[in-house]
Amino acid sequence: GAGVSQSPSNKVTEKGKDVELRCDPISGHTALYWYRQSLGQGLEFLIYFQGNSAPDKSGLPSDRFSAERTGGSVSTLTIQRTQQEDSAVYLCASTNSAIRQETQYFGPGTRLLVL
Amino acid sequence: GNSVTQMEGPVTLSEEAFLTINCTYTATGYPSLFWYVQYPGEGLQLLLKATKADDKGSNKGFEATYRKETTSFHLEKGSVQVSDSAVYFCALTGSSNTGKLIFGQGTTLQVKP
Repeated sequence: GAGVSQSPSNKVTEKGKDVELRCDPISGHTALYWYRQSLGQGLEFLIYFQGNSAPDKSGLPSDRFSAERTGGSVSTLTIQRTQQEDSAVYLCASTNSAIRQETQYFGPGTRLLVL
Repeated sequence: GNSVTQMEGPVTLSEEAFLTINCTYTATGYPSLFWYVQYPGEGLQLLLKATKADDKGSNKGFEATYRKETTSFHLEKGSVQVSDSAVYFCALTGSSNTGKLIFGQGTTLQVKP
């Protein structure tokens, strides 16, 4: 079946502009995660959704970052007033249960470059 | 807080050599432990996992044993191939009920023919 998909695959933007990154999880997966992969910080957790609510936003680095999920499916990560330090690969993952033993399935990522 | 420490890379081996990538962790409670792999140009995918102490995860010739006494989950393979060249990430999910992954910094493996 279809895996996790993300769009766009690459995004180049100018400092100060807003960007939206999209994630389509595996159908039926109730838990959705956003992570960021950057050279300086490695792979770090950003936010977790269970259904449409986000009980853990502890990894969002600043209030310029926000995310939503609609219909228990698609999620959008928005970065406002982008800065050069936001340049990274943004990964989305989903799983059918948020218990700690479950395997998370990752999308291919969106590579963001802020000039 | 929870954390994962991996050996520094890159690791360069000849084909058919023995591989060990060290991973140690700090966590409260009883975490689940994972190895994820990222092949060149591909997304992150699960390699193996172990969910309780003394469990051994295995896949594609790779193995790792959950050692609670040494808080370790070292990845091993007896005979590496060129196709194993990738970045390997050790990770855990802690005692929170969110299932979020805490990753190590990743270890790049390059296998030469």
